[in-house]
Amino acid sequence: NAGVTQTPKFRILKIGQSMTLQCTQDMNHNYMYWYRQDPGMGLKLIYYSVGAGITDKGEVPNGYNVSRSTTEDFPLRLELAAPSQTSVYFCASSPRTGALGYTFGSGTRLTVV
Amino acid sequence: GQQLNQSPQSMFIQEGEDVSMNCTSSSIFNTWLWYKQEPGEGPVLLIALYKAGELTSNGRLTAQFGITRKDSFLNISASIPSDVGIYFCAGMNYGGSQGNLIFGKGTKLSVKP
Repeated sequence: NAGVTQTPKFRILKIGQSMTLQCTQDMNHNYMYWYRQDPGMGLKLIYYSVGAGITDKGEVPNGYNVSRSTTEDFPLRLELAAPSQTSVYFCASSPRTGALGYTFGSGTRLTVV
Repeated sequence: GQQLNQSPQSMFIQEGEDVSMNCTSSSIFNTWLWYKQEPGEGPVLLIALYKAGELTSNGRLTAQFGITRKDSFLNISASIPSDVGIYFCAGMNYGGSQGNLIFGKGTKLSVKP
């Protein structure tokens, strides 16, 4: 199984541009998450979803949007990129019982210049 | 919000040495997780702890869930070069919102052959 797949792996955006970070999982997990990781700061939750059609804000949602039209896909949208959004973005998923731990993708490194 | 204090921030050790790192919180958790992140990859779950006082091993790794439910430690015995990476603790209170996996800032481990 592929697990959690993120694309692209790297991207450079200009200030004000928009883009969508793709995330798909093939484990039939109900729960999916988007985190950003800044150097020395651990992982901060941006948005999460407990199932298709349901999304909710995490700790740092400003400047981002998500949608969850299927169980498999959970794209993250940046509408007006800003330098503060330069980071590494990780998508993760977990089964209905979240205590089993999350499975993470390999990340998207985004630079906004 | 809830915060985890993870220490040390970084460690430089000789191959064969034992390693110890810990995580403390101002509030209680009912699950503690330890993840390892290698360069260019997402975090991978190492050990999950579900009960206060629980001591769990995974090969050379041993982790404990503190009695107060506010702390956890991870030990690595007889370190080898492939132990290099960033180790994250994470606390969770499952049963409520699934957006509440809180991460520490990580311990960066370097192993000298």
